[in-house]
Amino acid sequence: KAGVTQTPRYLIKTRGQQVTLSCSPISGHRSVSWYQQTPGQGLQFLFEYFSETQRNKGNFPGRFSGRQFSNSRSEMNVSTLELGDSALYLCASSSQDMNTEAFFGQGTRLTVV
Amino acid sequence: QQPVQSPQAVILREGEDAVINCSSSKALYSVHWYRQKHGEAPVFLMILLKGGEQKGHEKISASFNEKKQQSSLYLTASQLSYSGTYFCGTGRNLIFGKGTKLSVKP
Repeated sequence: KAGVTQTPRYLIKTRGQQVTLSCSPISGHRSVSWYQQTPGQGLQFLFEYFSETQRNKGNFPGRFSGRQFSNSRSEMNVSTLELGDSALYLCASSSQDMNTEAFFGQGTRLTVV
Repeated sequence: QQPVQSPQAVILREGEDAVINCSSSKALYSVHWYRQKHGEAPVFLMILLKGGEQKGHEKISASFNEKKQQSSLYLTASQLSYSGTYFCGTGRNLIFGKGTKLSVKP
């Protein structure tokens, strides 16, 4: 069974640009959550999608958005990049809800210069 | 509301025990525990559900005190492979604490 796949693995962008990250969940999983990980801040919740609907949203500015497609693949978009957006972005998939285990992808390392 | 983990870091010798705590200011219905090794993705260890049900790793134990809104992870007879950062997660959104860095030395 294939795991959670995130692409690209590494990305370097310039301030002001926008970026799109992709996450393919485990087959059959309908829930996809996104997290931002920075040193000292741990895993910060961005949003969760379930069956193409955003179910929950964290405390991030509107520059961070996402969507989920009918095949459960999810994308995350960050517009007008800032230096502080440099981080590891992780996505996690689970079958139903948060009473089941979540499987994380390897993440996308975004560097904003 | 982000759960609070303690300690922030702990160093052990192989064979020693450790306890990692997780507390929340909100009522807890479930607590998740994950371990992340350097450069790798977080890996599921355990879920503790309200009512006492546990799902997860057979060699790691944990407790869940619903009344005190706390959970503790017990690592006994630690091995080198236990090294990593441990995160607890709570709530429908699975909000994680800042993590506890565990280092096991030979």
